[in-house]
Amino acid sequence: EDKVVQSPLSLVVHEGDTVTLNCSYEVTNFRSLLWYKQEKKAPTFLFMLTSSGIEKKSGRLSSILDKKELFSILNITATQTGDSAVYLCAVAIYGGSQGNLIFGKGTKLSVKP
Amino acid sequence: EAGVAQSPRYKIIEKRQSVAFWCNPISGHATLYWYQQILGQGPKLLIQFQNNGVVDDSQLPKDRFSAERLKGVDSTLKIQPAKLEDSAVYLCASSLEPSPTRETQYFGPGTRLLVL
Repeated sequence: EDKVVQSPLSLVVHEGDTVTLNCSYEVTNFRSLLWYKQEKKAPTFLFMLTSSGIEKKSGRLSSILDKKELFSILNITATQTGDSAVYLCAVAIYGGSQGNLIFGKGTKLSVKP
Repeated sequence: EAGVAQSPRYKIIEKRQSVAFWCNPISGHATLYWYQQILGQGPKLLIQFQNNGVVDDSQLPKDRFSAERLKGVDSTLKIQPAKLEDSAVYLCASSLEPSPTRETQYFGPGTRLLVL
């Protein structure tokens, strides 16, 4: 069965810290990996990764994919209280029985002032 | 650009009652998805539409859940009758189309359902 595993499940840090969120996957017919940020509303799109070793960056957030080792990381530098959210990792696949986007359970990040 | 709209935002019903959710995707997005997100879990796909046709409904509990997308735009998801385990957030998402370069899904705010 296709699965996406995120770690840690929750994390508490202080403002200014740097955090690394992990996402590993075991799927057939991998297409791409996506990161979303979910506050108390809709998941908002952060990154889509399709190629190994190419870092995607947006402000203080960056992400990279390793298709050989089947994982991705999401880095957040100089964290702020506004970064507090659940970060969801999802893998898009071709023709899966679970639909074409499989989500992990998320990492709940809490940033303390 | 307007995002995905959903209503209602919250709904509380008793078990065995019926409920319906509505979704209006981003204009021009051909693909629409309904997800169920139980507390502490990632979203799970219930049904995927391409225009007004169903692409994947393999995880939709068809004995109680139904969905339609008339005219390939708005969609409704219905639960009849509801069970306690249906308590969850129901997320609607849309994408331009399910192709590798145009498949990023954009989510609505969700409908939080509580079944008592």
